[in-house]
Amino acid sequence: DAMVIQNPRYQVTQFGKPVTLSCSQTLNHNVMYWYQQKSSQAPKLLFHYYDKDFNNEADTPDNFQSRRPNTSFCFLDIRSPGLGDAAMYLCATSRVAQETQYFGPGTRLLVL
Amino acid sequence: DAKTTQPPSMDCAEGRAANLPCNHSTISGNEYVYWYRQIHSQGPQYIIHGLKNNETNEMASLIITEDRKSSTLILPHATLRDTAVYYCIVRVVNSGYALNFGKGTSLLVTP
Repeated sequence: DAMVIQNPRYQVTQFGKPVTLSCSQTLNHNVMYWYQQKSSQAPKLLFHYYDKDFNNEADTPDNFQSRRPNTSFCFLDIRSPGLGDAAMYLCATSRVAQETQYFGPGTRLLVL
Repeated sequence: DAKTTQPPSMDCAEGRAANLPCNHSTISGNEYVYWYRQIHSQGPQYIIHGLKNNETNEMASLIITEDRKSSTLILPHATLRDTAVYYCIVRVVNSGYALNFGKGTSLLVTP
C-alpha cells in the first residue's frame, strides 16, 4: 500500500563517513525529489530528477549527490557528512513537473 | 511564487471543525493554493489544492475567497490525529520544482 518508501527510517553515521539514503516509489512517477528538513525548519529542496535528468538547486552543497538507476529508485549520497548535515531527509515524487508531490516518511540522519 | 501568511498556532477541540486561514494577497491568476500537513517526525502529506473554486475531498475542504487573496482549510471533524503543522503553499503551475513550505500553522487538537 505504501507509495513512497524510504529506508532506513533512522540512520546513524560518523563524521566524514559516506552515507547513502534510499527511496523507492510504486507510483511510476517521472519526477523524484530530495528535501532536507532541519529541526524546527521547513523542508528545503536539494535536487530532483525528471526521468534521468538531474537538476541541482543552486545552493545545494557539493557534498550531496544523487543517483537514479531506474524509475522506481533514487538514492541520496552524502560524501562526507558533517554535524550540520544531521536532519530529516525527505523523498517525494510527482507524476510530472509541478504536479502534486507525494512524500515518503523520511529518514532521520544523525551524525556523530 | 506568492508569499503566504498563516497564524503560527491554533487550537481546536476534538470533534469540532478546524478552520485554518491563509493569506496570499499577492497571488496571481495562474497560481494554485496547495495545503500540506506534517505530523511530527513524518513526511509532509498532501491534503488538497485549488485554483479559484472551492474544493472538497475525503480529508478536507478548501474555501478560496472570490478575490483569491485568502483561503481557509476546513477539517470538518478534527481528531487527535489531525494534530500537525499545516502548510499553505501558493504555486505557479510552470514555476520551479521546489515546494516553498513557509512556517505553517501548528494545529493542536485537544480532547
